Amino acid sequence: NAGVTQTPKFQVLKTGQSMTLQCAQDMNHNSMYWYRQDPGMGLRLIYYSASEGTTDKGEVPNGYNVSRLNKREFSLRLESAAPSQTSVYFCASSEAHKGPWFFGPGTRLTVL
Amino acid sequence: AQSVTQLGSHVSVSEGALVLLRCNYSSSVPPYLFWYVQYPNQGLQLLLKYTSAATLVKGINGFEAEFKKSETSFHLTKPSAHMSDAAEYFCAVSNGGSQGNLIFGKGTKLSVKP
Repeated sequence: NAGVTQTPKFQVLKTGQSMTLQCAQDMNHNSMYWYRQDPGMGLRLIYYSASEGTTDKGEVPNGYNVSRLNKREFSLRLESAAPSQTSVYFCASSEAHKGPWFFGPGTRLTVL
Repeated sequence: AQSVTQLGSHVSVSEGALVLLRCNYSSSVPPYLFWYVQYPNQGLQLLLKYTSAATLVKGINGFEAEFKKSETSFHLTKPSAHMSDAAEYFCAVSNGGSQGNLIFGKGTKLSVKP
């Protein structure tokens, strides 16, 4: 089992460009999440999907959109990247409300 | 609303010394509590979890944590630090509700001196 995988690992964008971060899990989990990690801020939830076909905003959703493509895949899209979106992005999945949550290796994004 | 407070953004210990990383939580319902470790430039790895069974929870790499409801605490300890323990540690809480969200503390960076 690969667990949670993310692509790409690194990305540099110019302000205004768009991109999609991909995430997939092979653990048959219902719930998937996108977090961003910034120094001194811990991890903050951007969006989550409690089950296939549903998505909800988290703590910091502005500037992002998501798609739960199927049970395995959950993508995060930046329509018009801004320097404030420079961060490390983590995808996670969990089976039930008790967790645990399994995290992908992260995508390091820089917006110039 | 739930929240997590980690006391001390940086903790430094000598190799062989006790490691104590503090975590206090706020939750209106019985919480599920987790500690994760993040090594430089890597993802998050689960160290241990508390889900309302035994209050003393043992995890990987010799770490353990004790759930104290009266103190709303879930401190992480290890009797003897190794150089390889140097990493950032995150405490997190979930209320197990329908949203199933995990709320993180800001993290504590552990340094281990030889």
